[in-house]
Amino acid sequence: AQSVAQPEDQVNVAEGNPLTVKCTYSVSGNPYLFWYVQYPNRGLQFLLKYITGDNLVKGSYGFEAEFNKSQTSFHLKKPSALVSDSALYFCAVTDRTARQLTFGSGTQLTVLP
Amino acid sequence: DAGITQSPRYKITETGRQVTLMCHQTWSHSYMFWYRQDLGHGLRLIYYSAAADITDKGEVPDGYVVSRSKTENFPLTLESATRSQTSVYFCASSGMAGGSRETQYFGPGTRLLVL
Repeated sequence: AQSVAQPEDQVNVAEGNPLTVKCTYSVSGNPYLFWYVQYPNRGLQFLLKYITGDNLVKGSYGFEAEFNKSQTSFHLKKPSALVSDSALYFCAVTDRTARQLTFGSGTQLTVLP
Repeated sequence: DAGITQSPRYKITETGRQVTLMCHQTWSHSYMFWYRQDLGHGLRLIYYSAAADITDKGEVPDGYVVSRSKTENFPLTLESATRSQTSVYFCASSGMAGGSRETQYFGPGTRLLVL
C-alpha cells in the first residue's frame, strides 16, 4: 500500500523568507510524486511532479521540490515566500503501476506580511 | 477552453435522497476520477474510470455509484445520501499516454451538505 505523510498541519513564514513544506512517502518500488496547491473554494492546481532524473524539480510560481530517495521525502520549497502563496498544499504519490494517487492530509501555509 | 467543470457547485439535500454530481471535461482525457475532501483526511479516491464503460473502485466507494457512457462525462450518484457523505467532491481527469506519470487536473469542486 502507498501512503503520504505531511507532518505539519500548519506552516507560518514571514514574507520574503524561504519556505519549506514537508512530505514523506511510502510506496513499493519507485514513486511518482506530485505537489498540488488549493486556494479557498477552488480545486487543486498542479505545481510540479517528480518522475525520474534530476532530484530537484522546478515547478510553477517559483516553487521547487527535492526528491530524496534515502529519506523517502519530497519537500516543497521556495526561496522567497509571497503573501499570495498562502494556501493549502497537498503532496501525492503513486507507484509506477497504479493510476490512483494517494494524497497527504495537507499543510496550510500562511505567509505573514 | 472550459477544461473540467462540475455541477452543481453547491448542493443541500436530505438524508435518504438520491443526488447526482456531474463532471464534464473537454480534453478527451481517458481517465477520470472522483475524490472527496474531508478535514484531516486530504483527498480520498471514491471511483475512477479508465475509459467509457470501464470503472473501478477507489478507497471509499461505499454508498456511491458511477457510470461513464461518454468519454467526457463521469457522473457520481449518491443513491441514498447519509450525513457522513457531507463533503467537498472533486472530479479530476488525466491523459493515458504517460501512464501513472500523467498529471491529474481537477475541477472546482461540489460542496455537498446532507441534512
